[in-house]
Amino acid sequence: AQKVTQAQTEISVVEKEDVTLDCVYETRDTTYYLFWYKQPPSGELVFLIRRNSFDEQNEISGRYSWNFQKSTSSFNFTITASQVVDSAVYFCALSEAAGRRALTFGSGTRLQVQP
Amino acid sequence: DTEVTQTPKHLVMGMTNKKSLKCEQHMGHRAMYWYKQKAKKPPELMFVYSYEKLSINESVPSRFSPECPNSSLLNLHLHALQPEDSALYLCASSQGGNQPQHFGDGTRLSIL
Repeated sequence: AQKVTQAQTEISVVEKEDVTLDCVYETRDTTYYLFWYKQPPSGELVFLIRRNSFDEQNEISGRYSWNFQKSTSSFNFTITASQVVDSAVYFCALSEAAGRRALTFGSGTRLQVQP
Repeated sequence: DTEVTQTPKHLVMGMTNKKSLKCEQHMGHRAMYWYKQKAKKPPELMFVYSYEKLSINESVPSRFSPECPNSSLLNLHLHALQPEDSALYLCASSQGGNQPQHFGDGTRLSIL
């Protein structure tokens, strides 16, 4: 069975601070995919990134960066110089390469960025 | 604007009513999904359609009935719902497999 843990329920920062959202996963598969989604107050989930289990390179996209470490089963997400518009709930998710291939979501981290 | 369109955005219905939620995508995606999301919880998968055929039903009560009339449309028919069914219902689509899912804005459903 697969599982995704986001231990941080809520984080509050002041604008321009850097913030890291943690994600730890469990799976028996050797091939799997990890995702991050953002859910602003309006409700829709916005896809941010997909990473497969064979690609451990870190990725940077503007102010966003992701650190994938198979050794610790973690896929952490860092926002640099946070902005008020970054306020949202962020979900980490996992899907296995075979079988159901359905997304297993973590419980989410609510990020509040104060002006 | 999202590329997955859901209607209506809000729905209030009584427990004896019959209503339908609609979802449409024009990205040529072959897989479509229904999720249910309660407040402060992650989305929970309900159904998956692949090539217009139901491939996953997460033991959802029969008062929820999905339908995929064609590759662009996905419906969720509702009948005799319970107050605990009040939630945000999200539709998503993807190319299938482990490709990213693209979500609609959701329908906020309230059962009186």
